[in-house]
Amino acid sequence: NAGVTQTPKFQVLKTGQSMTLQCAQDMNHEYMSWYRQDPGMGLRLIHYSVGAGITDQGEVPNGYNVSRSTTEDFPLRLLSAAPSQTSVYFCASGREAGGSYEQYFGPGTRLTVT
Amino acid sequence: AQKITQTQPGMFVQEKEAVTLDCTYDTSDPSYGLFWYKQPSSGEMIFLIYQGSYDQQNATEGRYSLNFQKARKSANLVISASQLGDSAMYFCAMREGWAGNTPLVFGKGTRLSVIA
Repeated sequence: NAGVTQTPKFQVLKTGQSMTLQCAQDMNHEYMSWYRQDPGMGLRLIHYSVGAGITDQGEVPNGYNVSRSTTEDFPLRLLSAAPSQTSVYFCASGREAGGSYEQYFGPGTRLTVT
Repeated sequence: AQKITQTQPGMFVQEKEAVTLDCTYDTSDPSYGLFWYKQPSSGEMIFLIYQGSYDQQNATEGRYSLNFQKARKSANLVISASQLGDSAMYFCAMREGWAGNTPLVFGKGTRLSVIA
């Protein structure tokens, strides 16, 4: 199993450009999430999904769109990149497991917006 | 209001000593789970330990234990016999409810430095 994969690993965008960060998991997990990590801010939730066709907003959703057409994929779209979106982006997938919950993270995408 | 509070931005510990990383949480849901993750300088997020709100005993995983004090709403991580490889950022997180539709929310983290 590859686990949670994210592409690209690094990306530089100019202000106003759009792009999609890819996330895929091969563990058949129901739950998938996108977080951004900024220095001193921890991980902040952008969007999440509890299954194919179902998404919801997290703490910092503005400027980002998501869709979940399959269980495996959960892409994050930046509509019009801004310097404030410079960050490290983590995708995660999770499942209920014997009364607890397991969540696994991808390796992250480092995005710089100039 | 912050749901997860980690009040220690940075901590130092001598190698082979034990260290406690603080985490307090805020929820009115009687059902929740608490998590700790480690993020070394390489950047990946590594799951360490989980505690459910109804678990009677404190969770332990090797050198990691979770000091769960429900009345005080605290879930401190204790690392015993610290090693140089424990130097990393540590994040506390919470998931509320059993409905299965709530994601993990994270604190801001504590940077632990282990000194030889």
